[in-house]
Amino acid sequence: GAGVSQSPRYKVAKRGQDVALRCDPISGHVSLFWYQQALGQGPEFLTYFQNEAQLDKSGLPSDRFFAERPEGSVSTLKIQRTQQEDSAVYLCASTLIGGGNTGELFFGEGSRLTVL
Amino acid sequence: AQSVTQPDIHITVSEGASLELRCNYSYGATPYLFWYVQSPGQGLQLLLKYFSGDTLVQGIKGFEAEFKRSQSSFNLRKPSVHWSDAAEYFCAVGEGGNKLVFGAGTILRVKS
Repeated sequence: GAGVSQSPRYKVAKRGQDVALRCDPISGHVSLFWYQQALGQGPEFLTYFQNEAQLDKSGLPSDRFFAERPEGSVSTLKIQRTQQEDSAVYLCASTLIGGGNTGELFFGEGSRLTVL
Repeated sequence: AQSVTQPDIHITVSEGASLELRCNYSYGATPYLFWYVQSPGQGLQLLLKYFSGDTLVQGIKGFEAEFKRSQSSFNLRKPSVHWSDAAEYFCAVGEGGNKLVFGAGTILRVKS
């Protein structure tokens, strides 16, 4: 597609529910990132894929968070047993090449998760 | 660990006035530095980046930034602000593999 597409744009979950957030990167982009942006804060790194390989998951806040990219394109971020502190905007970004600090990440509009 | 500080949470400038948004970073080696802009309902967009070489870098939409190693700063500037520049601006430093560490952001308001 023309840009990074994320769905759903808005998600309201009751505490304890599982949620799945989808990211469809720009076609052909090798690297894919997930960031979490809490209200009033900058994005914080969650995890990084190069093709289907998850090379860095150091930012995932707990074992309730899980991300996958099984075919090296679409990615899903899953949050199990959601808690109120999980409320945030989840941003997906992709870039053409794998690594190199180009910084030219293309971001989606984000999925806003509200946990009640 | 790398960190980025944006001291100003909000800034208000008049349309046509000049703008400077401050950014200070903490990084042990030569940093890769970026400025992104986030408009309401839109994704983050790269304005400009610094990797090496000329310390004054030009970006899109008439923005520029200057890298000052001695001050650990990478301030964003624009000579004349337009109402459409109202948005939130994020400074970021690059770690390995495109992983970025962002500051908390500065919200720019433009008054007519």
